[in-house]
Amino acid sequence: GAVVSQHPSRVICKSGTSVKIECRSLDFQATTMFWYRQFPKQSLMLMATSNEGSKATYEQGVEKDKFLINHASLTLSTLTVTSAHPEDSSFYICSTMGTSGGTDTQYFGPGTRLTVL
Amino acid sequence: LAKTTQPISMDSYEGQEVNITCSHNNIATNDYITWYQQFPSQGPRFIIQGYKTKVTNEVASLFIPADRKSSTLSLPRVSLSDTAVYYCLVGVRFAGSARQLTFGSGTQLTVLP
Repeated sequence: GAVVSQHPSRVICKSGTSVKIECRSLDFQATTMFWYRQFPKQSLMLMATSNEGSKATYEQGVEKDKFLINHASLTLSTLTVTSAHPEDSSFYICSTMGTSGGTDTQYFGPGTRLTVL
Repeated sequence: LAKTTQPISMDSYEGQEVNITCSHNNIATNDYITWYQQFPSQGPRFIIQGYKTKVTNEVASLFIPADRKSSTLSLPRVSLSDTAVYYCLVGVRFAGSARQLTFGSGTQLTVLP
């Protein structure tokens, strides 16, 4: 399966600052990546679909001006949380496409823990 | 995207076989069934994927009946390290294309010594 990395693994920032999270597909050229958010004891919630060379597609209720997504290359997508507030503290996970047994499926990064003070 | 229903939690003992069943009554013709495992503060890890009948790999088996309205993940001889949340997802697979998967609530499996 595909290998996906995220950086940083955890970040603590002050309220009002912006934080950038990187998602890299290490062994696969990903035209599409996905960004999820997961609050404690809850399931993953899809935030947006990141498309290489075009604008991201955001899920309903996700502010595109607050969560900026850039997918400038086939191996890198970034999520920038702008003017972060404590309620943005969460576990952010990206995923990309890979192949298992001849069938495409999604592979996930290790996640980034964001804590906004 | 098809909605899935799983038990919220299950307990088992080391060495036992664990079967987790997922319901997906409105699964579409093109939908595949995928299972993921997630440990705390980690991203989900792919376990197994199938379309129909039975699929087996080195860590699990996936049983899918003919009507495909449910699926069962089977974990043979679980160990303490298998304690995790298990997600069943149903999504469309287009060749060379990606479609997002909708996560349900998942099943918290706790393996006891």
